[in-house]
Parts: sequence; structure tokens; C-alpha cells
Amino acid sequence: AQSVTQLGSHVSVSEGALVLLRCNYSSSVPPYLFWYVQYPNQGLQLLLKYTTGATLVKGINGFEAEFKKSETSFHLTKPSAHMSDAAEYFCAVTSGYSSASKIIFGSGTRLSIRP
Amino acid sequence: EPEVTQTPSHQVTQMGQEVILRCVPISNHLYFYWYRQILGQKVEFLVSFYNNEISEKSEIFDDQFSVERPDGSNFTLKIRSTKLEDSAMYFCASSDVVLGGGAKETQYFGPGTRLLVL
Repeated sequence: AQSVTQLGSHVSVSEGALVLLRCNYSSSVPPYLFWYVQYPNQGLQLLLKYTTGATLVKGINGFEAEFKKSETSFHLTKPSAHMSDAAEYFCAVTSGYSSASKIIFGSGTRLSIRP
Repeated sequence: EPEVTQTPSHQVTQMGQEVILRCVPISNHLYFYWYRQILGQKVEFLVSFYNNEISEKSEIFDDQFSVERPDGSNFTLKIRSTKLEDSAMYFCASSDVVLGGGAKETQYFGPGTRLLVL
């Protein structure tokens, strides 16, 4: 079974400050990990993903995440927050071992940016 | 860039009515999915579909729900007799195929249909 825990349902940072959104996963098989972003009244957009290989993955809009197997974590970071980053962020996991794996989503973290 | 589209964007229905939510997946994708997000809650998997068959379904996907690929482009979710608790945003997603027939890991999501059951 797989699960995702996102620490902090709401994170608020100042514009220009570091963004850190925390995600821990549980998986009995090697996981594929994702971060999706959802802007108000819109669908889910893939920010970045980890499948295999390099553990530091870079995504769109300056975001990156690092897969740490020993910590079962996949935290999302951005060095300098921008007002346009305000959105809901979902960490998600799936398995590469199934032919049509469902994605398991975390509860989401709402990111607010203070001017 | 190819994208998944969904219609309608919003639907209001009376409890007990049937609704059909429509999706047009990315054209060369062969795996299709439905997820839902009740307001303020996490996105939940409903069903996956490949080769005209359900691959996997969640416990949410009971006999009230069905999926169909009626033609070469559309993928539909039908709720036979809607309940108040079916009110949610419904997302369709699709993914490409890898060599050997499995689904690629990246699922591309549509913008969603917001369903309100009164």
C-alpha cells in the first residue's frame, strides 16, 4: 500500500523568501513521486516528478524537489517565492510496478505569499 | 501542446438524476482515469481504464458509477442516480503507453467538471 503525508495544510511565506513544502511517503515498492499544483478554480498541473536516477529533480517555475529514500521524503522547495506561486500544492505517489497505477495524493498544502 | 479537455465545466443536477461527465483524453494516450475532489479534501482515485476494460477501481466506484469509451476520442463517467455526497470536482486524466504495454507514470489531468447535486 502507498500513502502520502503533507506536513502543514497551510504555509505562508513572504515574497522573495524560501518556499519549503514537506512531503513524506510510504510505499512497499520503489515509488514514483510527483508534485502537482492547483491554482484557484483550475485543474492539476504537474510541477515535477521523480522516477529513477538523479534524486534532485527540477520542475517548472523554479521549483525543485529531492528524493530522500532514507527519510522517505520528497520535499518541494523554491529559493525565492513569487506572488504567482500562491496555490494549492499536492504531493503524490504511484508505483511503477503496475500497468496502470493510480496516483495517491496527499491532502494538499495551501501556499500563501505575503507582499 | 496536447491537453485533456472536459465538458461541461460545471453541472448542477437534482438528487437522483443521472449525469454523464465527458472527457477527451490526449489523442495518442491509451490509459484513462477518473479522480474526484470533494471541496476542501484530497484528490481521490476512482477508476482506471485500458483496452475497453476497467483496470482498477476504488471502493468509491460502486454500482452507481460506470465508465465508457463510446468512440475513439471520448471517455465518459456516468453516475446513475446522484446523491448529495457526489458533489465534487471530477478530474479526467490520461497517460501514454510504455514498451510492453504498461502505462507511463505521468498522468495528464483535465481542468475538471464541478458537479453540484441539490
